[in-house]
Amino acid sequence: DTAVSQTPKYLVTQMGNDKSIKCEQNLGHDTMYWYKQDSKKFLKIMFSYNNKELIINETVPNRFSPKSPDKAHLNLHINSLELGDSAVYFCASSHKGPRTFGSGTRLTVV
Amino acid sequence: GENVEQHPSTLSVQEGDSAVIKCTYSDSASNYFPWYKQELGKGPQLIIDIRSNVGEKKDQRIAVTLNKTAKHFSLHITETQPEDSAVYFCAASAVEGGGADGLTFGKGTHLIIQP
Repeated sequence: DTAVSQTPKYLVTQMGNDKSIKCEQNLGHDTMYWYKQDSKKFLKIMFSYNNKELIINETVPNRFSPKSPDKAHLNLHINSLELGDSAVYFCASSHKGPRTFGSGTRLTVV
Repeated sequence: GENVEQHPSTLSVQEGDSAVIKCTYSDSASNYFPWYKQELGKGPQLIIDIRSNVGEKKDQRIAVTLNKTAKHFSLHITETQPEDSAVYFCAASAVEGGGADGLTFGKGTHLIIQP
């Protein structure tokens, strides 16, 4: 199926750990994104990335970093996890058009 | 930067009735307005979008209207059904499709369809 897929779907981890969330799209899109959705459902852009440019939302802590091995993948690495990082993280992609979202990764930091 | 306000935050309607969700935007340069539906446990999905050269767009039971002068746009769902229950997000951008980072979302409306 053509889609944006992200893994894992659920992630429970302790404070201070380092974790990664993977994202892959097979839509041939040239731009990928990471969003954070908090408990109030507010969608906040974290990063957008194509093969030329990384745009970072300046409010995102530098503990968060995107890594793109190729155009179809944009992984999210998080260092020194904090309780406030608990949220649902969505990957998305686009190509000169609307964004297609993945199904989300629910991160719980305990 | 762009600011998008969305109301109401929660909307409960009887099955079969109509639902209207309203959004306002601040940047007069915005010209692309998508609406996303997010069902429980899933990511947001585009359901309809409108560009600033059009005042209204319809797709079956869903319609979106745009008033550029007043800087507001609305989502209308007629003959609501239980499967319409979800969180709906409006968004605005000065770049068609939203550009690399230029898509600003509203805070969402939780639509509840009462049987």
